[in-house]
Amino acid sequence: KNQVEQSPQSLIILEGKNCTLQCNYTVSPFSNLRWYKQDTGRGPVSLTIMTFSENTKSNGRYTATLDADTKQSSLHITASQLSDSASYICVVSGPYGNNRLAFGKGNQVVVIP
Amino acid sequence: NAGVTQTPKFRVLKTGQSMTLLCAQDMNHEYMYWYRQDPGMGLRLIHYSVGEGTTAKGEVPDGYNVSRLKKQNFLLGLESAAPSQTSVYFCASSYDPTGRRNPQHFGDGTRLSIL
Repeated sequence: KNQVEQSPQSLIILEGKNCTLQCNYTVSPFSNLRWYKQDTGRGPVSLTIMTFSENTKSNGRYTATLDADTKQSSLHITASQLSDSASYICVVSGPYGNNRLAFGKGNQVVVIP
Repeated sequence: NAGVTQTPKFRVLKTGQSMTLLCAQDMNHEYMYWYRQDPGMGLRLIHYSVGEGTTAKGEVPDGYNVSRLKKQNFLLGLESAAPSQTSVYFCASSYDPTGRRNPQHFGDGTRLSIL
């Protein structure tokens, strides 16, 4: 069973609108949670990293939240742009760090004009 | 500053052929990783290295070998390619093995097709 579940699998939004992506995880014990953006044909690029004690972290128009008690995270995209079209991957780290990460399958976002 | 560079970007092989994928990083990172990404699945770790001269198995190591002779380079080898190894391969490097302070940096991938 996958330890990281992301929803929705895909969505289409109008340029300028906001959207929220969800990530639920079962990894325990928990160390940190990361959101990556992956453009088509490119490698993932880090957006945010949150540890147990952090509830929210922003990177420009991207805001990630974390509720370690319910094991849920969200990524909010504000005022979407065409360049936001990408896959957004949630990655959860437990006690073994980068040697044993749990990767979600990604949220595919398409922004249309 | 190039970051993580992977070569080649694309390759088509026949079953049974061998090849080596090269990953080079210019950030002086100790830790390097090889992943594969398949449709409908999350990234899966093949092998990793915690420093020059060291390698270790990840989640899906069968059919692959690796070497880290120089700190900046991490090579992934397929000795006898199989169609099941058709995938996109990503290399990553990091300064911090926990990921709490610094993220992994990924290359742009090698798209490999085995016929």
